[in-house]
Amino acid sequence: EDKVVQSPLSLVVHEGDTVTLNCSYEVTNFRSLLWYKQEKKAPTFLFMLTSSGIEKKSGRLSSILDKKELFSILNITATQTGDSAVYLCAGGDSGAGSYQLTFGKGTKLSVIP
Amino acid sequence: KAGVTQTPRYLIKTRGQQVTLSCSPISGHRSVSWYQQTPGQGLQFLFEYFSETQRNKGNFPGRFSGRQFSNSRSEMNVSTLELGDSALYLCASSPGQGHEQFFGPGTRLTVL
Repeated sequence: EDKVVQSPLSLVVHEGDTVTLNCSYEVTNFRSLLWYKQEKKAPTFLFMLTSSGIEKKSGRLSSILDKKELFSILNITATQTGDSAVYLCAGGDSGAGSYQLTFGKGTKLSVIP
Repeated sequence: KAGVTQTPRYLIKTRGQQVTLSCSPISGHRSVSWYQQTPGQGLQFLFEYFSETQRNKGNFPGRFSGRQFSNSRSEMNVSTLELGDSALYLCASSPGQGHEQFFGPGTRLTVL
């Protein structure tokens, strides 16, 4: 059974801080690692990573994948109150002719002014 | 491009009833996946459809079923509702296998 574990479960930081969110995975037929941001609504897509060592960036957010050690990190620099959300990590399994995401429980990030 | 739409957005049912939820994917996307989100269990995979075929199903009882139509729209059905079925049901659309999935706003189901 596929498994994704995120840490920490929650985090409180001040505006301007840099944070690192962690995601480790055990996915039988690993295809990709995805990050989502969820505020009080549906998850919004951030990144999809398939190759080790290649950083993906979008503004103040960046993410990297290590397929040897089976983990990924999401970095947010110069945090703002609008970054407050639950960040979800998901492992994509492409076994048996289908594609299925297994999600971690999420990291709840609170950014205080 | 319009995003994923789900109807209804909110639903209140009583135990024993059945419910049908609908999802319209992003235009051109052929894969639709369904997830159940609860505070205790997080996001859990229900099933995935591609070109009207269910390709995979998560660890849920047979009361949970779904289908996909030729226009890629999908429905999921839950029969004999239980209190524990109260959750946010999310639909995600994707161009195909292995691509990123984009979520709809969800249907909040409350079972009384």
